Amino acid sequence: GQNIDQPTEMTATEGAIVQINCTYQTSGFNGLFWYQQHAGEAPTFLSYNVLDGLEEKGRFSSFLSRSKGYSYLLLKELQMKDSASYLCAVRRFNNNDMRFGAGTRLTVKP
Amino acid sequence: DAGVIQSPRHEVTEMGQEVTLRCKPISGHDYLFWYRQTMMRGLELLIYFNNNVPIDDSGMPEDRFSAKMPNASFSTLKIQPSEPRDSAVYFCASSVLAGETDTQYFGPGTRLTVL
Repeated sequence: GQNIDQPTEMTATEGAIVQINCTYQTSGFNGLFWYQQHAGEAPTFLSYNVLDGLEEKGRFSSFLSRSKGYSYLLLKELQMKDSASYLCAVRRFNNNDMRFGAGTRLTVKP
Repeated sequence: DAGVIQSPRHEVTEMGQEVTLRCKPISGHDYLFWYRQTMMRGLELLIYFNNNVPIDDSGMPEDRFSAKMPNASFSTLKIQPSEPRDSAVYFCASSVLAGETDTQYFGPGTRLTVL
């Protein structure tokens, strides 16, 4: 089996930086994904890591440490529209078997 | 590109009735996934197909659930008979194994309510 843990809720202020953590335990690790999901909408892809280190994409960055089973999503210069759930997902083996964490609901306040 | 298409977008039915959800993946994608999302359990993988063949259906809750993919452009998820606890948003997603990202693209979902 596998466990994917992330905080249930977080709150941050507009313009600030927030870090959303994700820890996982799995066999056959083959990549970690972050998805954003606004209320009532489908998840949309944000970032992907398969090697250790930081991947930067505009205001969003994602970090992975495979030895620690740990990833984080860093959101800079927060905007109100960033209020959403952020889902951590782990892909296993050499296929598209992907399992999602429960998601972190981020609220950005003025 | 039209993206992943799901129908219906909303379905309200009574307990015991048969429900059929439909999905059209993105053209050229050879993986198709069915997920269920609830507040209590989050996003759960039910089943996925590769080249129209079911690969892993271990997430299908019970025999009341079945999924088919008769061709590369169409899949169905059927619940028979439906129960109130099946109420959830059901997402279909597709992807292509073409390099590192292989990201899954989600459809808009079907919100199912079983009374």
